Amino acid sequence: DGGITQSPKYLFRKEGQNVTLSCEQNLNHDAMYWYRQDPGQGLRLIYYSQIVNDFQKGDIAEGYSVSREKKESFPLTVTSAQKNPTAFYLCASSRVAASHEQYFGPGTRLTVT
Amino acid sequence: KQEVTQIPAALSVPEGENLVLNCSFTDSAIYNLQWFRQDPGKGLTSLLLIQSSQREQTSGRLNASLDKSSGRSTLYIAASQPGDSATYLCAVEGAGGTSYGKLTFGQGTILTVHP
Repeated sequence: DGGITQSPKYLFRKEGQNVTLSCEQNLNHDAMYWYRQDPGQGLRLIYYSQIVNDFQKGDIAEGYSVSREKKESFPLTVTSAQKNPTAFYLCASSRVAASHEQYFGPGTRLTVT
Repeated sequence: KQEVTQIPAALSVPEGENLVLNCSFTDSAIYNLQWFRQDPGKGLTSLLLIQSSQREQTSGRLNASLDKSSGRSTLYIAASQPGDSATYLCAVEGAGGTSYGKLTFGQGTILTVHP
């Protein structure tokens, strides 16, 4: 089955620790995205990548880092510099031609205490 | 800066009713508009995508329209069912190089369809 996988589904960390969220897709999409969702707010774009070895900051990139070494993978690291890391994190992918329709993974809920 | 607003924030209807969800956006220079469904604790499921040159798209009981000049889109759900209960999100992708691929989301409409 083609799709996007995110792991783990739930993640717990202590304040001050870095944590990496996994995102893998087998849709052969060139573009990948990371969003953050908080209660009562819409999704906000953290980082996106349109091609391997290249990525751009979204609206709320501070305290986050990414890499894009393979087309299929776009891991997100939440660093200790992120002031409010507890949130639901969603990964998405799309083609860079035609409609740009974005497809989403199941999400990772990160809780930092 | 693009802003997307969805009205109403919540909607509760009896099964079988036809309903309309509204989405408005402030910048009409868009590449496309996408409607999503989100179940509690889950990811987003794409329902319909309307390109900026299109006026509407249909899928089963769902019909989405787009009026780019007025900055509005509606999602029409016919003959609603309890299984339609979810949060519905509207998102627009801006036109132009720096907006490429970047979606701006509304805060969603929480729909409850009761038997």
